[in-house]
Amino acid sequence: GQNIDQPTEMTATEGAIVQINCTYQTSGFNGLFWYQQHAGEAPTFLSYNVLDGLEEKGRFSSFLSRSKGYSYLLLKELQMKDSASYLCAVLDSNYQLIWGAGTKLIIKP
Amino acid sequence: IAGITQAPTSQILAAGRRMTLRCTQDMRHNAMYWYRQDLGLGLRLIHYSNTAGTTGKGEVPDGYSVSRANTDDFPLTLASAVPSQTSVYFCASSATSGVTDTQYFGPGTRLTVL
Repeated sequence: GQNIDQPTEMTATEGAIVQINCTYQTSGFNGLFWYQQHAGEAPTFLSYNVLDGLEEKGRFSSFLSRSKGYSYLLLKELQMKDSASYLCAVLDSNYQLIWGAGTKLIIKP
Repeated sequence: IAGITQAPTSQILAAGRRMTLRCTQDMRHNAMYWYRQDLGLGLRLIHYSNTAGTTGKGEVPDGYSVSRANTDDFPLTLASAVPSQTSVYFCASSATSGVTDTQYFGPGTRLTVL
């Protein structure tokens, strides 16, 4: 079967750095997405990785290792508004997105 | 309208009733999707449409039907609602399907079936 694993919840301090991990086992791989979802709102796109390595976009970076079935989202200089759930999703061989359950990130002052 | 709109925002429904969730996008996207999101689970695809006039089944299609008469609208119908269909429903769209286009989501419909 297809499986996406992420930690259920993480806590970090304002101004710090946090890394949210995602491991996957899917039938085929056509890329990995990270989305942010604030409570009660829709998911919004953060990043897309299809090649191994690090993609940096401002305070957010996303890393992919296809051989290890592993990705992480790195958030720097954390702000209170970063409190949200972060969803990892893999595009499988049929170009359908397989979603993880999400990681709820709590930022403390 | 900018992006994707969904209606209603929330609904409480008696079991056995028929319900249609509406979704409209103004981005001229070809592909549209319906997901449900339940606590502790990832988003699960119910139905999708690669282009107007075509639809397909996702991971959890039972009890749901869709139609795609035009590019902009993609309604989801529950023919006879059951309590297990209590969930938050998100409509999404992407420019095309079968490639790595980003999906954009509507604000969601919170449905409670009693």
